[in-house]
This record gives sequence, structure tokens and C-alpha cells, in this order.
Amino acid sequence: GEDVEQSLFLSVREGDSSVINCTYTDSSSTYLYWYKQEPGAGLQLLTYIFSNMDMKQDQRLTVLLNKKDKHLSLRIADTQTGDSAIYFCAEMITGYSTLTFGKGTMLLVSP
Amino acid sequence: SQTIHQWPATLVQPVGSPLSLECTVEGTSNPNLYWYRQAAGRGLQLLFYSVGIGQISSEVPQNLSASRPQDRQFILSSKKLLLSDSGFYLCAWNLRNTIYFGEGSWLTVV
Repeated sequence: GEDVEQSLFLSVREGDSSVINCTYTDSSSTYLYWYKQEPGAGLQLLTYIFSNMDMKQDQRLTVLLNKKDKHLSLRIADTQTGDSAIYFCAEMITGYSTLTFGKGTMLLVSP
Repeated sequence: SQTIHQWPATLVQPVGSPLSLECTVEGTSNPNLYWYRQAAGRGLQLLFYSVGIGQISSEVPQNLSASRPQDRQFILSSKKLLLSDSGFYLCAWNLRNTIYFGEGSWLTVV
């Protein structure tokens, strides 16, 4: 079966880099995603990576994928107070069209 | 461009009352559609997904049901709500292996 694990909480200072980590168990994962959820809102897709990639960069966001260890990370450079939110890691298994989510990491950015 | 609409945004319902949450997608045809629930503790649970009109897959046994009467319409229903049905319900759709979410519906069962 599949399972996605994330640390529950991360606190950083404004201007620092944030690194949110995620591990998954199913080696059949094809796509891996990061979503952001602000209080009371739906999930916003931030970025995704195909399992045949090691890294993807999109402005302040960098996704690193270690397939051997089944480890995914999201790095946010120059973290701002507006980045405070819950960040969800999710995987989509080959042959399926549904996502399995981690429980989310709450990022708190202090001034 | 494609958009997803979900309503109502919030509702408070008594135990035993019925429920209907509606979701529509614009700008695409034959999307995969999903209902997720986010209860206390933040985890997202897949409730139903649909690959076409009248085709519903249920992931979790419960007193909820889903229907897809039209290609771009997905409805979540209950005949009698339980306290444990309270939560944040999210509709989503799939475009080329990327799933996009609506703004969600807050349900409080009292």
C-alpha cells in the first residue's frame, strides 16, 4: 500500500529558507506534488515533479526527489510571512488517477 | 481556461438532515472529478471519484453518496447527516495528471 509521511510543523524566520520534507512508500509513484493550503481555503497546486526527474525549480521553489530513499523535499527560498500555510505532499500511483496525501506540514514564518 | 466552482461555501446542518454539495467544472470536457474530505487533524481523505457520467467509485464506506448527472457536475449527498460528517469538503478535477481543487465547503453538523 501507499503511505505519505510529513513532519507536522516547521517554524522559520522571514528571509530564511524553508525545507519541507516528505517520504513516500510506493515505488510505483509516477507524479509527486506539493500543495499549499491557506487558512479556510482550498488547496493550491504549487508544483509537481515526475518520478524520472531529480530536481525542479520554479522561482523561489525547488523540489528535490531522491527516488532511492523515496524522499521528496520542497525548498522555499527567501521565505515570506505570506508563505505561512499548510503544505501537503501527495503522490499519484502509476495506473491510478487519485492522489494520496500526507497529513500536511504547517509552516509558520515569523517576522 | 478551466475553472471549478463549489457551493455552498459554508453550511450548518442539524444531525439527521440531508446534505447536498455541488461542484461544477468549466472549460473542459470529460474530466475526472473527486470529492475529498478534510477533518480535524488536517489529513485529506478521498471519498469518491468519477471518470464519467454515472460512473462513481467509492473509497470509504459511509453514509455519503455521490452522483454525476452531467459531464461537468459532481454532487455529494447524504440522506441523514451524522456529527462525524462535519469537515471541510473539497471538490477537485484532473487535467493531464494534475489535480486542481475548488475552494471547499465547510460543513458543521450540530
